[in-house]
Amino acid sequence: AQKITQTQPGMFVQEKEAVTLDCTYDTSDPSYGLFWYKQPSSGEMIFLIYQGSYDQQNATEGRYSLNFQKARKSANLVISASQLGDSAMYFCAMRGPRDSNYQLIWGAGTKLIIKP
Amino acid sequence: DTAVSQTPKYLVTQMGNDKSIKCEQNLGHDTMYWYKQDSKKFLKIMFSYNNKELIINETVPNRFSPKSPDKAHLNLHINSLELGDSAVYFCASSQPGLAASRLYNEQFFGPGTRLTVL
Repeated sequence: AQKITQTQPGMFVQEKEAVTLDCTYDTSDPSYGLFWYKQPSSGEMIFLIYQGSYDQQNATEGRYSLNFQKARKSANLVISASQLGDSAMYFCAMRGPRDSNYQLIWGAGTKLIIKP
Repeated sequence: DTAVSQTPKYLVTQMGNDKSIKCEQNLGHDTMYWYKQDSKKFLKIMFSYNNKELIINETVPNRFSPKSPDKAHLNLHINSLELGDSAVYFCASSQPGLAASRLYNEQFFGPGTRLTVL
């Protein structure tokens, strides 16, 4: 069965430092996609970045990049030069199988707190 | 120009009452979802509808009944509310497809409805 694991329930990071949030996944499907979403304290779910299994390069979106290591089945989110506004819950998700209509399978999330 | 909207944003009610949450998307997506997010922030899929047809019905009590009058709307009705139903409920939509691309898999979320059962 497909699965997403986020092993860090919470992290404290000093402002302006880089942050790596871990995500490992398990799938036997050769074609898959991985997402990261941010949920600030205001509650909305915000899409951050996407990585397709066949993408040749690691995805980047501004200060966000995805360290995609296919052989290790990991898709860690890297936030460069962290800011106070990065304090939030971060969720990793993966596209599920066809028989689930490709629903997203979610990790448990990591609560990131940026210290001034 | 909200993509996925939910009403109400907050819902406070007594145990035993019946309540509904409405969701609408203007993205033209075929698939809509209801999620429950508990106090530990875990996101649990409850239901998924594809073009008004129920696709996924996870182990949710039958007090929860989704209704999709058309593919742009997915409402959630909850009967006989219990304390454990207190949570944030998110509606989402997407356009899933064979390709593992962002276009066919990204889910767009509504702002959430915080339900408090007293």
